[in-house]
Amino acid sequence: AQSVTQLDSQVPVFEEAPVELRCNYSSSVSVYLFWYVQYPNQGLQLLLKYLSGSTLVKGINGFEAEFNKSQTSFHLRKPSVHISDTAEYFCAVSDGGSQGNLIFGKGTKLSVKP
Amino acid sequence: DAGVIQSPRHEVTEMGQEVTLRCKPISGHNSLFWYRQTMMRGLELLIYFNNNVPIDDSGMPEDRFSAKMPNASFSTLKIQPSEPRDSAVYFCASSFRAGWTEAFFGQGTRLTVV
Repeated sequence: AQSVTQLDSQVPVFEEAPVELRCNYSSSVSVYLFWYVQYPNQGLQLLLKYLSGSTLVKGINGFEAEFNKSQTSFHLRKPSVHISDTAEYFCAVSDGGSQGNLIFGKGTKLSVKP
Repeated sequence: DAGVIQSPRHEVTEMGQEVTLRCKPISGHNSLFWYRQTMMRGLELLIYFNNNVPIDDSGMPEDRFSAKMPNASFSTLKIQPSEPRDSAVYFCASSFRAGWTEAFFGQGTRLTVV
């Protein structure tokens, strides 16, 4: 079964600083990877996804992630964060099968301080 | 489309009572997921359906939990009898094709069992 590890449960960072949120997944023949964001008292919304093609994926709100097959990683980055980026971020993986499920990591709480 | 619609948004019930959570997926989506989110365990996949058929219910914590999808536009998650440890936020999500596309989440139902 697929699994996802988010190495950092909390990441504090100052406004305008760069940030990287780490995600590793269990290896599979093929995987499809996603990053979601959850603002307080809301559901999850998609930031970006990797299905195939270029390993560097750009998403909304200036976020990007890089798929690294050899390291089974899909780290999320943003060069300059804003206060409004304060939220919880979830990495998710699917094996892409016709009946594939979607497994989430435990989340990383990003706290942007002024 | 209004997105994934969950009801109720909040539910407070007494231990031992039956609780039914409802979900209307996005029209045209053929996969539906039920997740439970708690501080301790993060976001757990309880069950998912593909074309109204339950594919994997291994995440359902125990027999007190049951889920149905009688048609493509409606699903329920039932807890009978409820216990205080069932208190959590329950999310429903749907996708066009499980594993290949992103899942869209509802706003969640916050369940409190006293």
